[in-house]
Amino acid sequence: ETGVTQSPTHLIKTRGQQVTLRCSSQSGHNTVSWYQQALGQGPQFIFQYYREEENGRGNFPPRFSGLQFPNYSSELNVNALELDDSALYLCASSLGGRSNQPQHFGDGTRLSIL
Amino acid sequence: DQQVKQNSPSLSVQEGRISILNCDYTNSMFDYFLWYKKYPAEGPTFLISISSIKDKNEDGRFTVFLNKSAKHLSLHIVPSQPGDSAVYFCAASASGGSNYKLTFGKGTLLTVNP
Repeated sequence: ETGVTQSPTHLIKTRGQQVTLRCSSQSGHNTVSWYQQALGQGPQFIFQYYREEENGRGNFPPRFSGLQFPNYSSELNVNALELDDSALYLCASSLGGRSNQPQHFGDGTRLSIL
Repeated sequence: DQQVKQNSPSLSVQEGRISILNCDYTNSMFDYFLWYKKYPAEGPTFLISISSIKDKNEDGRFTVFLNKSAKHLSLHIVPSQPGDSAVYFCAASASGGSNYKLTFGKGTLLTVNP
């Protein structure tokens, strides 16, 4: 069983640039959620995708957007990067968008904004 | 507002003894609770969960207790091992919403001393 994989592992960008982060869900999982983890904090929910549609969004501005593909992999796009966007971005997959199932996380992408 | 609180940033125990990690929540809509363990440079790893219809769930050395009236849960690790040293996150979700986003606490760093 393949776990959740994320790419790239590290990324350095400058303010105003755009970035795309990628996630492959665990085999058999059809739901992907994205979280942002700032230093010293717990992960914060960005949004969730279920069967290729957005299934809920946290308190993040519209410059954070996403996609889910037919194979259930997903992308997180961030436009007009700001210094505060520096964080660990975590992707989690689970089975079913409307049931209590554990979410399984990838190792994250560390994004640094200069 | 912090809906999930882990008030102890760190905890140190001796190998073989019990580790007790605590978590409080304020949102009465939460009905599913999870514990994750996180090593540096890795994503959170799911440990154990509990539904609000139960007050205890056990899996090997790990037991989670839920006190709904106090809005409090705890994770017991017995016996503690040096490999348990990690950051532990408490998380909660509410099944009444359109998605099952997780709300995390800030984490507790557990150090198990040989």
